[in-house]
This record gives sequence, structure tokens and C-alpha cells, in this order.
Amino acid sequence: GEQVEQRPPHLSVREGDSAVITCTYTDPNSYYFFWYKQEPGASLQLLMKVFSSTEINEGQGFTVLLNKKDKRLSLNLTAAHPGDSAAYFCAVSAGGTGSKLSFGKGAKLTVSP
Amino acid sequence: NAGVIQTPRHKVTGKGQEATLWCEPISGHSAVFWYRQTIVQGLEFLTYFRNQAPIDDSGMPKERFSAQMPNQSHSTLKIQSTQPQDSAVYLCASSPKLGGDSYEQYFGPGTRLTVL
Repeated sequence: GEQVEQRPPHLSVREGDSAVITCTYTDPNSYYFFWYKQEPGASLQLLMKVFSSTEINEGQGFTVLLNKKDKRLSLNLTAAHPGDSAAYFCAVSAGGTGSKLSFGKGAKLTVSP
Repeated sequence: NAGVIQTPRHKVTGKGQEATLWCEPISGHSAVFWYRQTIVQGLEFLTYFRNQAPIDDSGMPKERFSAQMPNQSHSTLKIQSTQPQDSAVYLCASSPKLGGDSYEQYFGPGTRLTVL
């Protein structure tokens, strides 16, 4: 089955700094890619989605990069602020009847003032 | 839109007891998924339904776990003879119609199950 590896597991940055979280996956049939944010004690909030090899800026200070050739997905925070402190999970799906999500183990981001 | 509703939010059971978890998907969504989250294993897929039909239960422990979706407005996950290793947050998610770009899943708040 699909294996998703996420790095780093923990990340600490100062307010205004950038932060990058990366996932690699194994299934070449994977087609749909998602990033979720989970604040302490809360559920998963859909942050961004990407379906093709493209750079997307959703206007919330995040950029997602997908490289299907290298099977790599990254989430870039361009100017982190304390409200971005949370766990971030990447999720991968083949879509169709195989549309279950395979998740990375998560990256806990801490942004200090 | 109330989002995905899960009840109860917290459940404590004794070892060997039964636990039933409830999920109400977002109205109009055609698929319902169940996942389990633990510190050690992370987020694990359990099972899912599309248009109330079971599609994939490859993540379900075979002997004590079962899931049903008797109608389009709710799904249940039942764990018989609960064991301490079943302690986890159980997450339900729903997804819009099949096709197009509508494969994103929206998660409920989860049910935290603690087995003593």
C-alpha cells in the first residue's frame, strides 16, 4: 500500500520566518494531495488541496509544491505567525474507489513571537 | 452547514465492554470515512462507504470492529469487547460527490475512546 513519509516531525521558527514541511509518497497512481492543519485538541482542518503538478498559493501565507516525478509534496509557510502553530499532515489519495487517504505522521510547528 | 457531527465526544469503557460511535456526515455528501488517530500509529484508515454501500474495509481489525451506514444521514462504528489498545481518537470524515475535483474529505471533531 501507499507509504507516506513526512519530514521534519518537529519544527520551531520565529515569527516572520519561513517553514517548509515535506512529504514523499510511493504509489505512482496517487493523484490527489491534501494538507490538513490540526490545532491542539481539535480535528483536522482542510488547508490546501492540489491535483496536478503545479504551484498554488491559496492566499493564506502558504504555498504548496507538488513534484510527481519525484513523488514529493511540500508545504511552505512564507511568513509564519504564532497562529500557525499546529500539527500539519499531508494526505495522499488515488481517488475513485481508492479514495481513502494515506497520511504522513505529521509535523508539529511551533512559531514563537 | 454544521459540518460532520460525531457523538459522543468522549467515551470511557471498561475492558471487554462494547463501544458504539456515531457519525452524521455533511448533508449531501456521498462518502463517509472512518479513521483512527493515536500518538504511536498516527492517522490510520479503517473503512469507508459510498452512497451507503461499504467500499473498502481494509483497515478494520477483523474480529471486533464493524461499521454500518443504515441511511445517508448517519454511520456507526462498533467495537466489541474493547481492549486498552483500542484507545484512540476515532475520526469520521465525509466527502462530496464522486468525480470532478470533489475528493476532499471534511473531518468531524472525533470521539476520544478510552478503554480502562
